[in-house]
Amino acid sequence: AQSVTQLDSQVPVFEEAPVELRCNYSSSVSVYLFWYVQYPNQGLQLLLKYLSGSTLVKGINGFEAEFNKSQTSFHLRKPSVHISDTAEYFCAVSDLRAQKLVFGQGTRLTINP
Amino acid sequence: KAGVTQTPRYLIKTRGQQVTLSCSPISGHRSVSWYQQTPGQGLQFLFEYFSETQRNKGNFPGRFSGRQFSNSRSEMNVSTLELGDSALYLCASSGEGAEQYFGPGTRLTVT
Repeated sequence: AQSVTQLDSQVPVFEEAPVELRCNYSSSVSVYLFWYVQYPNQGLQLLLKYLSGSTLVKGINGFEAEFNKSQTSFHLRKPSVHISDTAEYFCAVSDLRAQKLVFGQGTRLTINP
Repeated sequence: KAGVTQTPRYLIKTRGQQVTLSCSPISGHRSVSWYQQTPGQGLQFLFEYFSETQRNKGNFPGRFSGRQFSNSRSEMNVSTLELGDSALYLCASSGEGAEQYFGPGTRLTVT
């Protein structure tokens, strides 16, 4: 079984500042890793994914994440945030059959002008 | 390609009633998964269907059921509704890749 821990429930940052949203996972088998974003009253949008290969993955809207197997982490970063990045961000993991996603509790990112 | 669509978007039901939610996956996607999102429990996996067969099931009571049709469209049904079933129900589809693409959800309110 897998589990995901998002270490911060809320992260406030100023516009144009960098941000890191932290995610740790636990699994006894190899996994795929994902970050999703949810804007108010909407579904989840895939930001980026790690399936294999390079541990640094780039996604949409200028986000990137780094897979660290030894620390079982998959932290999300953006060098300069915008007001439009205000949303809830979810880290998720699946086993290699990819039939089921296990989500973290989410991190609410608030951008202050 | 059109995205995942879910109907209805909003629903209000009374305790004890039953409800059916519908999901149309992205064209060509054969796997459909359902998730429940609540403020207290977060996002939880309900079940996954592939080619009309349930391949995986989460830890929900038997009141929650689903099915998939030959065109990959899926429905989920909740019988004997309880107040705690109030949630956003999200459907996701996937194709050959590992990633899942989500619909906008159905907001169910049980009164």
